[in-house]
Amino acid sequence: EPEVTQTPSHQVTQMGQEVILRCVPISNHLYFYWYRQILGQKVEFLVSFYNNEISEKSEIFDDQFSVERPDGSNFTLKIRSTKLEDSAMYFCASSKDLRAQQYFGPGTRLTVT
Amino acid sequence: GESVGLHLPTLSVQEGDNSIINCAYSNSASDYFIWYKQESGKGPQFIIDIRSNMDKRQGQRVTVLLNKTVKHLSLQIAATQPGDSAVYFCAENNNAGNMLTFGGGTRLMVKP
Repeated sequence: EPEVTQTPSHQVTQMGQEVILRCVPISNHLYFYWYRQILGQKVEFLVSFYNNEISEKSEIFDDQFSVERPDGSNFTLKIRSTKLEDSAMYFCASSKDLRAQQYFGPGTRLTVT
Repeated sequence: GESVGLHLPTLSVQEGDNSIINCAYSNSASDYFIWYKQESGKGPQFIIDIRSNMDKRQGQRVTVLLNKTVKHLSLQIAATQPGDSAVYFCAENNNAGNMLTFGGGTRLMVKP
């Protein structure tokens, strides 16, 4: 069964550094998402992406965050200058259609020191 | 994908018993609801969904009930197995269809 993949599984970075989290959505999916989960808290929506542009974003997704689909397979989340409070699990998801089942990847654990 | 938290509600059931996990939602305009299972170290895994034009939907060993009057959603797992041990989240999909809003999660523990 096709699945969403994410790399790396764990990323450690120093405060103020830039990080790029990578995702390969399911190949025939058209809608892409990033969510995060701070340890001990619920999953929170960050951003959705369709047709090479952001379709919706949350308050968390400020100017420090950006997303990109650099080619036909990858979908990336960039955090320009990481803060301690960015430490979390970041999940990528994709869906075939709007309001269709979203498939989640295994996540990238980001640790900011 | 850990969801360990001091305040995470926990449901402990005996293997073979039925489990019921509850969720309340706040947005009366929400019309699409999903249950996800999250095992330790993994991402949320889709279990079952329901749209607001239905009040019950069944899958394999799972049933979702939707009560729009009181804005309540439940997940029933029949004959619970050790492999069902995980954190379960309900989520609502907004009317634009872009974002999922997750509930706080319930940890299900299955005793052999």
